[in-house]
Amino acid sequence: GAGVSQSPSNKVTEKGKDVELRCDPISGHTALYWYRQSLGQGLEFLIYFQGNSAPDKSGLPSDRFSAERTGGSVSTLTIQRTQQEDSAVYLCASSLDLRGMQFFGPGTRLTVL
Amino acid sequence: AQSVTQLDSQVPVFEEAPVELRCNYSSSVSVYLFWYVQYPNQGLQLLLKYLSGSTLVESINGFEAEFNKSQTSFHLRKPSVHISDTAEYFCAVSSAIQGAQKLVFGQGTRLTINP
Repeated sequence: GAGVSQSPSNKVTEKGKDVELRCDPISGHTALYWYRQSLGQGLEFLIYFQGNSAPDKSGLPSDRFSAERTGGSVSTLTIQRTQQEDSAVYLCASSLDLRGMQFFGPGTRLTVL
Repeated sequence: AQSVTQLDSQVPVFEEAPVELRCNYSSSVSVYLFWYVQYPNQGLQLLLKYLSGSTLVESINGFEAEFNKSQTSFHLRKPSVHISDTAEYFCAVSSAIQGAQKLVFGQGTRLTINP
C-alpha cells in the first residue's frame, strides 16, 4: 500500500500475556519510529530504527518492551507480561531518513484487562 | 532534551471565527517544529512544519504558524475556521542536530467548532 500500515488495529489481552504489534513502513523509507498515545501521558516516543544503525531505545518505558526491524522493513513491537498501564494506542511512523517528514500509521489500540 | 507545552487542552470556537492554538517549547539546541492534526477516528497527519528559512509557514487548508525564537513559541492560527477543522492538534519539536529526529509532542489541543 501507499501508506504505513499496522496490525492488528485492535488488540485486547489479559494482564500478564505477551503481545506483538506489527508495522509495515512505506516502501523505501529507511527510518521507522514507534510512539504510543495514552490518556495519561499523551504522545510519547518509544524507539526508532535508521538503516543498519543501532536503534535508539531511549523511550522504551521498561525492559518488558522490545522491538526489532527485520530486513530494514517490517518492525515488530513486543510487550511482555502486559500490565494495565500498557493500554494505549501504539503508533508507527516512517520517513525517508532521519531528517525526513514522518508519516504515521493508523495505530494499534491495545487494551489490557 | 526538548519539551513542548500546549497551553489549552480544549478550544471551542464558532464557525468562521478566528482561532489561535498556542505552543511553547523548550530546548538547549536548535529545533525543528511541527503541527500535526488528528481528525476523529483517523491517524496523525502533518499539518505544517518549520525547518529553516521564513519563520511564517502555511498549510494548504488555511492554517499558518510563526516560529518565534525569542519567545520559544510556534502558535497555530487560522483566520476563519470551518466545521471540518474539528480535530485534535499536536505541536511537536525535534532536535535539529544531525541524526536526531525523534518527535517530542505536546499534550494536544482539542479544537471544537460550533455552528
